[in-house]
Amino acid sequence: KAGVTQTPRYLIKTRGQQVTLSCSPISGHRSVSWYQQTPGQGLQFLFEYFSETQRNKGNFPGRFSGRQFSNSRSEMNVSTLELGDSALYLCASSLGRRLGTNEKLFFGSGTQLSVL
Amino acid sequence: GQQVMQIPQYQHVQEGEDFTTYCNSSTTLSNIQWYKQRPGGHPVFLIQLVKSGEVKKQKRLTFQFGEAKKNSSLHITATQTTDVGTYFCAVNFNDYKLSFGAGTTVTVRA
Repeated sequence: KAGVTQTPRYLIKTRGQQVTLSCSPISGHRSVSWYQQTPGQGLQFLFEYFSETQRNKGNFPGRFSGRQFSNSRSEMNVSTLELGDSALYLCASSLGRRLGTNEKLFFGSGTQLSVL
Repeated sequence: GQQVMQIPQYQHVQEGEDFTTYCNSSTTLSNIQWYKQRPGGHPVFLIQLVKSGEVKKQKRLTFQFGEAKKNSSLHITATQTTDVGTYFCAVNFNDYKLSFGAGTTVTVRA
C-alpha cells in the first residue's frame, strides 16, 4: 500500500506570493491533517479534514487555508507569504473514524517551503 | 488551550548509556502516542498506550503510561547511534487533532 504522498518536496517562493501544497493520503484513509514544523515551534496543528469537511483548525491566520476533495486528497494554500512561513509542512492521514479515537497518524515526507 | 509538556528538550547521550524523556498533561488522557523523527525525515509512529499503568517494550525502548493517565515516559537503554532523532509524544483531547509535545532531540556521542 502506498504511503502518504506530498508534492512538491521543496518550494522556494518570495514574500507576497501564494503557494499550494498537495497531499494524497493512504488509500482508504479519509482524514487528513496538516502540520507546520519549525525548529523553534515544533509541530503546530493547522487543520484537519474528513470527508471534505474541516473538523478542526489551529491558531493560524486566515492566510492559511485548506480543502479536501471527494477522493480524500487535500491541498493547503498559503496566501501573501511572509518570511516566517518558511517551514516544513507535513501532511498526515488516518482512518478518521471517531472523535477521541486512538488512531495513529501516517505522515508524508513533507514540503519544505522557503520564503525569500 | 490544552497541551502536553515534554522534557527535556535536548538529550546528549554517550553511546551505551540510558536516558528517559517525559510527557506531562494537566488533564487525564484517554491515550498517548509516541513518534520518532529521524534527522531530515518525518514523524513515524512508535507506539500507543491506553491503559493506566501500561508498560510496553520495543527492544531497548520502554514506554510507560502513568497510573493517573496524566504522564508518560520513554526510556531507552544502551543508546545506539540509530536512536538519534527527535521523540514526540502526542495526545488527542477529543478535538479531532493530535497535539504534539515539543519533542526531545537526542544526539549520541560515540
